[in-house]
Amino acid sequence: NAGVTQTPKFQVLKTGQSMTLQCAQDMNHNSMYWYRQDPGMGLRLIYYSASEGTTDKGEVPNGYNVSRLNKREFSLRLESAAPSQTSVYFCASCGAGVAETQYFGPGTRLLVL
Amino acid sequence: AQSVTQLDSQVPVFEEAPVELRCNYSSSVSVYLFWYVQYPNQGLQLLLKYLSGSTLVKGINGFEAEFNKSQTSFHLRKPSVHISDTAEYFCAVRKSYNTDKLIFGTGTRLQVFP
Repeated sequence: NAGVTQTPKFQVLKTGQSMTLQCAQDMNHNSMYWYRQDPGMGLRLIYYSASEGTTDKGEVPNGYNVSRLNKREFSLRLESAAPSQTSVYFCASCGAGVAETQYFGPGTRLLVL
Repeated sequence: AQSVTQLDSQVPVFEEAPVELRCNYSSSVSVYLFWYVQYPNQGLQLLLKYLSGSTLVKGINGFEAEFNKSQTSFHLRKPSVHISDTAEYFCAVRKSYNTDKLIFGTGTRLQVFP
């Protein structure tokens, strides 16, 4: 069981470039989430998907798009990267029961120059 | 809406000393409460959670937390810390009885010195 996996682990972009962060889970979870982590701000939710085929905005969705490709995969796209998007990005997944907890991937460290 | 406050951004402590990391929450509905730990350059992993029942919750690595509804707090404690406990700790809240999203606090950096 790999849990939640994310690729790439590190990425450097120039302002205006685009990229897609990939996330996959092998726990048959319904819900998946994308967060960004910035110093002193904790984790902030960018987008989430409560089930395959649905996505919803979180606290900080501007500048991002997501795709829930299937039950396993949830990708995050930066269409035109900005220095303000320099951050560590975490993907998480959660089962359907109300007592379930979120499981996190190892993160992607993104630097936008 | 729910919110979480972790008043201490950093907590320095000597090895084998006790530690308490504070967490207060705000919510108009009943909530579930969580503590996560993040070791350097890693993702978050669950330390413990409060769903219902006993207000004292025991987690991994010797940590425990107490839910206090009247004070809307969920402080994390360990009676004797190790160097390996050096990490960032996040408190989080979620509405009870559903699978709504987690709301995280800003984190507390625990630094354990020899």
